[in-house]
Amino acid sequence: SQTIHQWPATLVQPVGSPLSLECTVEGTSNPNLYWYRQAAGRGLQLLFYSVGIGQISSEVPQNLSASRPQDRQFILSSKKLLLSDSGFYLCAWDSGQGRGEQFFGPGTRLTVL
Amino acid sequence: SQQGEEDPQALSIQEGENATMNCSYKTSINNLQWYRQNSGRGLVHLILIRSNEREKHSGRLRVTLDTSKKSSSLLITASRAADTASYFCATLKGAGNMLTFGGGTRLMVKP
Repeated sequence: SQTIHQWPATLVQPVGSPLSLECTVEGTSNPNLYWYRQAAGRGLQLLFYSVGIGQISSEVPQNLSASRPQDRQFILSSKKLLLSDSGFYLCAWDSGQGRGEQFFGPGTRLTVL
Repeated sequence: SQQGEEDPQALSIQEGENATMNCSYKTSINNLQWYRQNSGRGLVHLILIRSNEREKHSGRLRVTLDTSKKSSSLLITASRAADTASYFCATLKGAGNMLTFGGGTRLMVKP
């Protein structure tokens, strides 16, 4: 069966520090991968998605970047964090078969101080 | 505003009552999905309804879709305290695989 992992679960970082959040998927090949951010009590904002290795599309211009070095690995990065980068970051995948049903990781709670 | 807006934003009911949440959207869709999120956790897919379907059931869940009104409803019957969570609708447009999520309804079921 398929599983999706995210780490770390929580992270507290100072303003101006770098960021690296990792997401890996098991049990499937060539998934579409997504990074979302969720503000407290709000819906999901799509940040990046990827349909294949090295292929990244950005939905919102911002301080963050994403990379997909391997088929089932998706990384969210920043060189210098801002206070506004605080939030709950969710990674998700789908099979790319057209139904669009997505499977989410447990999320990373990022607090920038 | 966003594709996929739920109402109410928050709902509080007693255990055993039914909970109804609504979702409206703006453009044509391929399908509409409902997800559940427990506090501080990832989202879990509940049910998918295609644009050519009008109603779908899964256990205590009943979803309706009215494409003429661009709206959907999620009904949870005989609610339980464990149903306490946020519920999100998400729409899939014809092109691509990207979902657009609404702001969610926070449901509290009191025991």
